[in-house]
Amino acid sequence: DTEVTQTPKHLVMGMTNKKSLKCEQHMGHRAMYWYKQKAKKPPELMFVYSYEKLSINESVPSRFSPECPNSSLLNLHLHALQPEDSALYLCASSHPAGDVVSLHFGNGTRLTVT
Amino acid sequence: SQQGEEDPQALSIQEGENATMNCSYKTSINNLQWYRQNSGRGLVHLILIRSNEREKHSGRLRVTLDTSKKSSSLLITASRAADTASYFCATRGGSNYKLTFGKGTLLTVNP
Repeated sequence: DTEVTQTPKHLVMGMTNKKSLKCEQHMGHRAMYWYKQKAKKPPELMFVYSYEKLSINESVPSRFSPECPNSSLLNLHLHALQPEDSALYLCASSHPAGDVVSLHFGNGTRLTVT
Repeated sequence: SQQGEEDPQALSIQEGENATMNCSYKTSINNLQWYRQNSGRGLVHLILIRSNEREKHSGRLRVTLDTSKKSSSLLITASRAADTASYFCATRGGSNYKLTFGKGTLLTVNP
């Protein structure tokens, strides 16, 4: 079982809804990530938090709003999404930057926008 | 872009056979990693090889890296049905946090 927990596992939302995805890890990692993965495609980086501060934003539309309340939690707030935003959203964590950075992934939230 | 390109895109073998997947990338790297993803699940880190290493082993996995050709290969020996998954290479270049994944190889191991 993964040590990165994502909730909910599945989410269906309308284009006018506001929802949030949650991610939690207790491995003491100080870097946390959001990736988006469409079917039969590789994960694409969206955001990186390092020591609870936003480190990387890969030009993600503002309808996706990340939040890192503390070193164990990562949220992704969703608002006014489009059907093309339907995808598997993966959270990951890692030790802080160094020579070796490998990611620990959660099992994702399957998001469907109707 | 440093995105890796896996080859083949799909591979189907019988249990007990070896599976080889290749990855090519475009720019200089600090290290190259391989991940496995079972259908509908998250990715699992398998093995990391540094840019100054040429070969690395972990259990039934063998990874090679040729920086002159900007390529890597993952060999899974004595495959099992449970090895059925997508396999991605991932490279890290400048930013310590930006890990870029290749397109992946879908491996099917038939019992």
